[in-house]
Amino acid sequence: ETGVTQTPRHLVMGMTNKKSLKCEQHLGHNAMYWYKQSAKKPLELMFVYSLEERVENNSVPSRFSPECPNSSHLFLHLHTLQPEDSALYLCASSQDSGGPQETQYFGPGTRLLVL
Amino acid sequence: AQTVTQSQPEMSVQEAETVTLSCTYDTSESDYYLFWYKQPPSRQMILVIRQEAYKQQNATENRFSVNFQKAAKSFSLKISDSQLGDAAMYFCAYRSEGGSGTYKYIFGTGTRLKVLA
Repeated sequence: ETGVTQTPRHLVMGMTNKKSLKCEQHLGHNAMYWYKQSAKKPLELMFVYSLEERVENNSVPSRFSPECPNSSHLFLHLHTLQPEDSALYLCASSQDSGGPQETQYFGPGTRLLVL
Repeated sequence: AQTVTQSQPEMSVQEAETVTLSCTYDTSESDYYLFWYKQPPSRQMILVIRQEAYKQQNATENRFSVNFQKAAKSFSLKISDSQLGDAAMYFCAYRSEGGSGTYKYIFGTGTRLKVLA
């Protein structure tokens, strides 16, 4: 285990539902990330938080709403999603010190299916 | 903007043989980091190996090594003595600076490696 956990691991939701994905890191890192992983596409960076402040939002539709209440927890709130939003959503964390040992640690992902 | 390209969607290797996965990238930066990540089926993505661009020496981690050609912007991964447990998706990634002192990781589309017994 890499110290990053995600719940739920699988989620099926209708287009009118509201759900939330949760990510927790136990590594004492300062930065947390949400990625979307679709088949045959590069990982798409969605959001970056540094010390609980959102520092990047890569043109993600407003139906995805992130929340970072503290440096250990990250949420992705989902509302009125579309079928094309079905994907594996990965959370990651990093120290963000910029040093040579800097790297990202990933959670296991939440497999989302939107019907 | 930086880009990462993995031109091999799928590769196969016989157990105990050697395989090389290709990765090229595009950047105007002179100082950066490159990574190979492994994502086994239904398991977490983990770091395999990293390379600092300012180092000329190729990184190695046990059976994994890279061939880093900075001028050609090439960063291939060599897996020696392949094992069944090496079967996974392999992602090449480039790290650049993001906003407010953070760092962005740009990933390629991945190469699925099959290991044949």
